[in-house]
Amino acid sequence: TQLLEQSPQFLSIQEGENLTVYCNSSSVFSSLQWYRQEPGEGPVLLVTVVTGGEVKKLKRLTFQFGDARKDSSLHITAAQTGDTGLYLCAGGPSGSARQLTFGSGTQLTVLP
Amino acid sequence: EPEVTQTPSHQVTQMGQEVILRCVPISNHLYFYWYRQILGQKVEFLVSFYNNEISEKSEIFDDQFSVERPDGSNFTLKIRSTKLEDSAMYFCASILIRVGPFFGQGTRLTVV
Repeated sequence: TQLLEQSPQFLSIQEGENLTVYCNSSSVFSSLQWYRQEPGEGPVLLVTVVTGGEVKKLKRLTFQFGDARKDSSLHITAAQTGDTGLYLCAGGPSGSARQLTFGSGTQLTVLP
Repeated sequence: EPEVTQTPSHQVTQMGQEVILRCVPISNHLYFYWYRQILGQKVEFLVSFYNNEISEKSEIFDDQFSVERPDGSNFTLKIRSTKLEDSAMYFCASILIRVGPFFGQGTRLTVV
């Protein structure tokens, strides 16, 4: 069974600060997705990374896939209150048509 | 922007009854999925569907579950005889090739 560990589980910061959340596994993934989920709603896709070492930027969000494709990070620059939410990473194992294993999430709170 | 749509948003059913959850995936997508999320827990994979047949399924997806693509647009999940522990958010998702999958807003199933 593949597991994805996310850290920290909870993060509370002031508006304008930078932060990084991590997603780690002992398994290799063919792809790694980051989602954001609001209470009672479905996960909203932020990014897909598929190549080891890949870096993708989405405005103030920077996503990195580890060289060995076992870990990933999400860095947010100058956090805003609108960034508050649950951030989930989800990995697809090699050979699988995106049968995703989800992490338990990082609950981010950005304070004004 | 194309999106995955799910109906109903909330379904209440009595234990032992059959329920059908409906989804309209994004129109040109090729792979379809059902995931579920029990309150307070991780999102869990149930089943993937490609080319009109199940391609992968998890241990959760036992004989009481079935999926169908009855026409060119709908994708359904049927639970034959619901149990209290089937209460969860059920998410449909779809993907074309490399990016995703994209999730719907979910159906909250409450079994009483």
